[in-house]
Amino acid sequence: EVQLVESGGGMVQPGGSLRLSCAASGFTFTNYWMSWVRQAPGKGLEWVANIKQDGSEKCYVDSVKGRFIISRDNAKNSLYLQMNSLRAEDTAVYYCARDYNRLPGVLWGQGTLVTVSS
Amino acid sequence: QSVLTQPPSASETPGQRVTISCSGSSSNIGSNYVYWYQQLPGTAPKLLIYRDNQRPSGVPDRFSGSKSGTSASLAISGLRSEDEADYYCAAWDDSLSGPLFGGGTKLTVL
Repeated sequence: EVQLVESGGGMVQPGGSLRLSCAASGFTFTNYWMSWVRQAPGKGLEWVANIKQDGSEKCYVDSVKGRFIISRDNAKNSLYLQMNSLRAEDTAVYYCARDYNRLPGVLWGQGTLVTVSS
Repeated sequence: QSVLTQPPSASETPGQRVTISCSGSSSNIGSNYVYWYQQLPGTAPKLLIYRDNQRPSGVPDRFSGSKSGTSASLAISGLRSEDEADYYCAAWDDSLSGPLFGGGTKLTVL
Protein backbone atom coordinates (compact mmCIF):
# COMPACT_ATOMS: atom_id res chain seq x y z
CA GLU A 1 0.00 0.00 0.00
CA VAL A 2 1.23 3.45 -0.91
CA GLN A 3 1.37 5.45 2.30
CA LEU A 4 3.19 7.85 4.60
CA VAL A 5 3.03 7.38 8.36
CA GLU A 6 4.28 10.06 10.73
CA SER A 7 5.38 9.51 14.30
CA GLY A 8 7.24 11.30 17.07
CA GLY A 9 4.78 14.01 18.01
CA GLY A 10 3.97 14.89 21.60
CA MET A 11 4.15 17.59 24.21
CA VAL A 12 7.39 19.44 24.87
CA GLN A 13 8.37 22.49 26.88
CA PRO A 14 9.41 25.73 25.21
CA GLY A 15 13.07 25.55 24.26
CA GLY A 16 12.94 21.78 23.98
CA SER A 17 13.54 19.45 21.05
CA LEU A 18 11.57 16.80 19.21
CA ARG A 19 12.29 14.58 16.22
CA LEU A 20 9.51 13.65 13.83
CA SER A 21 9.71 10.65 11.54
CA CYS A 22 7.79 9.76 8.41
CA ALA A 23 7.89 6.18 7.11
CA ALA A 24 7.21 5.78 3.41
CA SER A 25 6.04 2.60 1.75
CA GLY A 26 4.60 1.35 -1.53
CA PHE A 27 6.54 3.66 -3.85
CA THR A 28 10.12 4.43 -4.85
CA PHE A 29 11.08 6.89 -2.13
CA THR A 30 14.28 7.97 -3.87
CA ASN A 31 12.33 9.36 -6.83
CA TYR A 32 10.69 12.18 -4.90
CA TRP A 33 11.29 15.45 -3.14
CA MET A 34 9.57 15.29 0.26
CA SER A 35 7.99 18.02 2.37
CA TRP A 36 6.85 18.80 5.88
CA VAL A 37 3.71 20.93 6.17
CA ARG A 38 2.15 22.06 9.45
CA GLN A 39 -1.23 23.31 10.59
CA ALA A 40 -1.68 25.18 13.85
CA PRO A 41 -4.96 24.52 15.71
CA GLY A 42 -7.81 26.15 13.82
CA LYS A 43 -5.42 27.71 11.30
CA GLY A 44 -4.36 27.16 7.70
CA LEU A 45 -1.60 25.13 6.10
CA GLU A 46 2.02 26.26 6.26
CA TRP A 47 4.88 24.67 4.35
CA VAL A 48 7.83 24.07 6.67
CA ALA A 49 10.63 22.42 4.71
CA ASN A 50 11.44 20.14 1.83
CA ILE A 51 14.36 18.00 0.72
CA LYS A 52 15.65 16.74 -2.60
CA GLN A 53 15.73 13.08 -3.54
CA ASP A 54 19.39 12.60 -2.53
CA GLY A 55 19.30 15.04 0.38
CA SER A 56 21.63 17.50 -1.35
CA GLU A 57 19.14 20.38 -1.31
CA LYS A 58 17.03 21.51 1.61
CA CYS A 59 14.69 24.51 1.85
CA TYR A 60 13.01 26.00 4.91
CA VAL A 61 10.39 28.62 5.71
CA ASP A 62 12.03 31.62 7.38
CA SER A 63 10.36 31.03 10.75
CA VAL A 64 12.16 27.71 11.29
CA LYS A 65 15.54 28.41 9.72
CA GLY A 66 18.35 27.67 12.16
CA ARG A 67 16.02 25.69 14.45
CA PHE A 68 14.65 22.84 12.33
CA ILE A 69 16.59 20.32 10.23
CA ILE A 70 15.01 18.17 7.56
CA SER A 71 16.77 14.95 6.59
CA ARG A 72 16.10 11.60 4.98
CA ASP A 73 17.44 8.07 5.09
CA ASN A 74 16.81 6.53 1.69
CA ALA A 75 17.94 3.11 2.88
CA LYS A 76 15.12 3.17 5.43
CA ASN A 77 12.58 5.01 3.23
CA SER A 78 12.25 7.57 5.97
CA LEU A 79 11.95 11.33 6.28
CA TYR A 80 12.79 13.24 9.46
CA LEU A 81 12.31 16.66 11.00
CA GLN A 82 14.57 17.57 13.90
CA MET A 83 12.95 20.45 15.76
CA ASN A 84 15.07 22.42 18.24
CA SER A 85 14.46 25.56 20.32
CA LEU A 86 10.74 24.93 20.08
CA ARG A 87 8.33 27.79 20.65
CA ALA A 88 4.63 27.94 21.49
CA GLU A 89 3.93 29.05 17.92
CA ASP A 90 5.37 25.75 16.62
CA THR A 91 2.34 23.96 18.09
CA ALA A 92 0.65 22.26 15.15
CA VAL A 93 -0.20 19.05 13.38
CA TYR A 94 2.80 18.18 11.22
CA TYR A 95 2.20 16.36 7.94
CA CYS A 96 4.77 14.78 5.69
CA ALA A 97 3.94 14.82 1.99
CA ARG A 98 5.37 13.51 -1.24
CA ASP A 99 6.09 16.36 -3.58
CA TYR A 100 5.08 16.85 -7.19
CA ASN A 101 7.10 19.55 -8.93
CA ARG A 102 8.33 20.82 -5.54
CA LEU A 103 4.83 21.20 -4.02
CA PRO A 104 2.96 18.66 -1.86
CA GLY A 105 1.21 16.23 -4.17
CA VAL A 106 -1.34 13.48 -3.88
CA LEU A 107 0.26 11.59 -1.00
CA TRP A 108 0.08 12.91 2.57
CA GLY A 109 0.49 11.27 5.94
CA GLN A 110 -2.17 11.37 8.62
CA GLY A 111 -0.27 13.96 10.65
CA THR A 112 1.30 14.03 14.10
CA LEU A 113 0.51 16.62 16.75
CA VAL A 114 3.26 18.66 18.35
CA THR A 115 2.33 20.72 21.40
CA VAL A 116 4.80 23.21 22.84
CA SER A 117 3.70 24.26 26.30
CA SER A 118 5.00 24.64 29.81
CA GLN B 1 5.96 39.76 1.86
CA SER B 2 4.58 37.02 -0.35
CA VAL B 3 0.92 36.24 0.25
CA LEU B 4 -1.80 34.26 -1.47
CA THR B 5 -5.18 35.79 -0.63
CA GLN B 6 -8.37 33.75 -0.49
CA PRO B 7 -11.83 34.72 0.79
CA PRO B 8 -12.27 33.23 4.27
CA SER B 9 -15.64 31.75 3.44
CA ALA B 10 -17.99 30.84 0.61
CA SER B 11 -21.41 29.25 0.48
CA GLU B 12 -23.85 27.89 -2.06
CA THR B 13 -26.77 25.51 -2.29
CA PRO B 14 -26.58 21.91 -3.49
CA GLY B 15 -26.45 21.49 -7.25
CA GLN B 16 -25.15 24.99 -7.85
CA ARG B 17 -21.69 26.20 -8.90
CA VAL B 18 -19.27 28.03 -6.64
CA THR B 19 -15.95 29.69 -7.41
CA ILE B 20 -13.12 30.30 -4.94
CA SER B 21 -10.49 32.88 -5.82
CA CYS B 22 -6.79 33.05 -5.00
CA SER B 23 -4.88 36.26 -5.56
CA GLY B 24 -1.10 36.41 -5.62
CA SER B 25 1.75 38.20 -7.32
CA SER B 26 4.36 37.90 -10.03
CA SER B 27 6.65 35.91 -7.73
CA ASN B 28 4.14 33.11 -7.22
CA ILE B 29 0.98 32.70 -9.30
CA GLY B 30 2.26 34.98 -12.01
CA SER B 31 5.23 32.74 -12.78
CA ASN B 32 4.46 29.31 -11.32
CA TYR B 33 1.79 26.66 -11.32
CA VAL B 34 -1.15 26.78 -8.92
CA TYR B 35 -2.28 23.82 -6.86
CA TRP B 36 -5.59 23.39 -4.97
CA TYR B 37 -6.22 21.20 -1.94
CA GLN B 38 -9.37 20.09 -0.16
CA GLN B 39 -9.33 19.40 3.57
CA LEU B 40 -12.29 17.70 5.15
CA PRO B 41 -12.69 18.15 8.92
CA GLY B 42 -10.14 16.16 10.90
CA THR B 43 -8.35 14.77 7.85
CA ALA B 44 -5.17 15.41 5.89
CA PRO B 45 -5.35 17.68 2.84
CA LYS B 46 -6.12 16.13 -0.53
CA LEU B 47 -4.74 17.40 -3.84
CA LEU B 48 -7.58 18.49 -6.14
CA ILE B 49 -5.80 20.44 -8.89
CA TYR B 50 -2.17 20.69 -9.96
CA ARG B 51 -0.44 22.64 -12.72
CA ASP B 52 -3.26 25.23 -12.72
CA ASN B 53 -5.98 23.00 -14.17
CA GLN B 54 -4.99 19.33 -14.05
CA ARG B 55 -6.92 16.82 -11.94
CA PRO B 56 -5.24 13.83 -10.30
CA SER B 57 -6.76 10.47 -11.01
CA GLY B 58 -9.96 10.00 -9.05
CA VAL B 59 -10.87 13.67 -8.67
CA PRO B 60 -14.30 14.29 -10.24
CA ASP B 61 -14.53 16.65 -13.20
CA ARG B 62 -16.91 18.78 -11.12
CA PHE B 63 -13.70 20.36 -9.84
CA SER B 64 -11.83 22.65 -12.24
CA GLY B 65 -9.01 25.17 -11.97
CA SER B 66 -8.11 28.23 -13.98
CA LYS B 67 -5.53 30.99 -13.87
CA SER B 68 -5.14 34.45 -15.34
CA GLY B 69 -2.16 36.64 -14.61
CA THR B 70 -1.59 36.69 -10.86
CA SER B 71 -4.96 35.22 -9.89
CA ALA B 72 -6.38 31.73 -9.92
CA SER B 73 -9.78 30.17 -9.30
CA LEU B 74 -11.22 26.85 -8.26
CA ALA B 75 -14.71 26.10 -9.52
CA ILE B 76 -16.94 23.38 -8.13
CA SER B 77 -20.07 22.55 -10.07
CA GLY B 78 -23.00 20.37 -9.06
CA LEU B 79 -22.30 21.06 -5.39
CA ARG B 80 -22.82 18.22 -2.96
CA SER B 81 -22.99 18.20 0.82
CA GLU B 82 -19.74 16.23 0.93
CA ASP B 83 -17.95 19.16 -0.75
CA GLU B 84 -18.25 21.09 2.51
CA ALA B 85 -14.61 21.53 3.47
CA ASP B 86 -11.68 23.94 3.62
CA TYR B 87 -10.00 24.71 0.30
CA TYR B 88 -6.43 25.96 -0.06
CA CYS B 89 -4.54 27.30 -3.05
CA ALA B 90 -0.77 27.02 -3.23
CA ALA B 91 2.06 27.98 -5.55
CA TRP B 92 5.83 28.01 -5.58
CA ASP B 93 7.09 31.44 -4.57
CA ASP B 94 10.34 32.62 -6.10
CA SER B 95 11.02 35.11 -3.28
CA LEU B 96 10.36 32.56 -0.54
CA SER B 97 12.14 29.81 -2.52
CA GLY B 98 9.44 27.47 -1.36
CA PRO B 99 5.73 26.68 -1.58
CA LEU B 100 3.25 29.27 -0.37
CA PHE B 101 -0.27 28.42 0.78
CA GLY B 102 -3.30 30.67 0.75
CA GLY B 103 -5.15 31.26 4.00
CA GLY B 104 -7.92 28.86 3.06
CA THR B 105 -11.61 29.18 2.23
CA LYS B 106 -14.28 27.42 4.27
CA LEU B 107 -17.01 26.24 1.92
CA THR B 108 -20.48 25.75 3.34
CA VAL B 109 -23.09 23.85 1.35
CA LEU B 110 -26.37 25.33 2.51
